[in-house]
Amino acid sequence: GENVEQHPSTLSVQEGDSAVIKCTYSDSASNYFPWYKQELGKGPQLIIDIRSNVGEKKDQRIAVTLNKTAKHFSLHITETQPEDSAVYFCAANNNDMRFGAGTRLTVKP
Amino acid sequence: KAGVTQTPRYLIKTRGQQVTLSCSPISGHRSVSWYQQTPGQGLQFLFEYFSETQRNKGNFPGRFSGRQFSNSRSEMNVSTLELGDSALYLCASGQQGARTGELFFGEGSRLTVL
Repeated sequence: GENVEQHPSTLSVQEGDSAVIKCTYSDSASNYFPWYKQELGKGPQLIIDIRSNVGEKKDQRIAVTLNKTAKHFSLHITETQPEDSAVYFCAANNNDMRFGAGTRLTVKP
Repeated sequence: KAGVTQTPRYLIKTRGQQVTLSCSPISGHRSVSWYQQTPGQGLQFLFEYFSETQRNKGNFPGRFSGRQFSNSRSEMNVSTLELGDSALYLCASGQQGARTGELFFGEGSRLTVL
């Protein structure tokens, strides 16, 4: 089955800096790669996703890149704000959705 | 449009008991997936139901079971509870499910086993 690895496990940045979270996956048949943000006491919320026929996707301060050959994808957050502080999960799917272990992002004001 | 609703939000059980958790998906969504979230293991896939049929199952023992009703609402049951079953149980709904599309998560049911 699919195995998703996510790095780093914790990330601390200064407000206004950029944050990058990286994931690798094992199943070359996976074709959908979402990113979720989970705030304390809440369920994960989809923030951006990318499909295997696209290399990059951007939505305001958030962007995701996908390298299918290398089987890795990354989340980029620019101009970080304190409200970006949360746990971020990457995921990859084939027959079911498999998640990375999560990255706890802290944005210091 | 209402989101995914999970009940109960919090519950405490003792070892050996059983528990049933409920999930009401977003209106129009036919897929419901269940995940177990723990600090040590992250988000682990339990099973997915689509149109009342179990479409996929993760690597959990038979004590974990689920079902989906004709209105797409789903329940999961855990029998003979163990301490290690303490976790946040998350339900996610989607139009087509995990294979092809977005999943929308509920707030979860936090189970504590004493």
